Amino acid sequence: QQQVKQSPQSLIVQKGGISIINCAYENTAFDYFPWYQQFPGKGPALLIAIRPDVSEKKEGRFTISFNKSAKQFSLHIMDSQPGDSATYFCAAPNADKLIFGTGTRLQVFP
Amino acid sequence: NAGVMQNPRHLVRRRGQEARLRCSPMKGHSHVYWYRQLPEEGLKFMVYLQKENIIDESGMPKERFSAEFPKEGPSILRIQQVVRGDSAAYFCASSPSTGGVGTQYFGPGTRLTVL
Repeated sequence: QQQVKQSPQSLIVQKGGISIINCAYENTAFDYFPWYQQFPGKGPALLIAIRPDVSEKKEGRFTISFNKSAKQFSLHIMDSQPGDSATYFCAAPNADKLIFGTGTRLQVFP
Repeated sequence: NAGVMQNPRHLVRRRGQEARLRCSPMKGHSHVYWYRQLPEEGLKFMVYLQKENIIDESGMPKERFSAEFPKEGPSILRIQQVVRGDSAAYFCASSPSTGGVGTQYFGPGTRLTVL
């Protein structure tokens, strides 16, 4: 099964700082790269997504940067807030299924 | 518009019993996906169904697991003769017929504990 490798496994950021989570993929046929946010005891919720024909997408404090040649994409959370504390998953579609990264547990301290 | 609904939210079974997990997709969605999440891990695809059809079950264990999505009613993930290793959170996602994999919306999950 094609993999999506995510790092770091955990991240601690001070309030107001920038959180950066990275993912690398293998299959160049992937054409859609979503990020999901999951709070404890909840299901994953789509946060932001990008297609490989653009290098960056920004929605509020969340930005996806995409490097097609390196087969990498990353999530940047600007001005991180304690309410952003959650687990973040990158994903990529493989035919009819989503392949998820292993997740990054983000903790934002006041 | 209600989101994806799953029940029960928590399910406790003893080894050897059967577990039935239900998923009602969002209104207007005809595609259902089941994923399993082990503690401290990402979600792993299990099965993709459309009404009355299993489209892709490549992630389903070959034994004890089955899934259906009948013409009427919710999708059911059934685990027979549960073992401790089946303890996990099981998430259902749905998408509209034209949306594809990129528009999956997830339910709150069913947390299965096998004693």
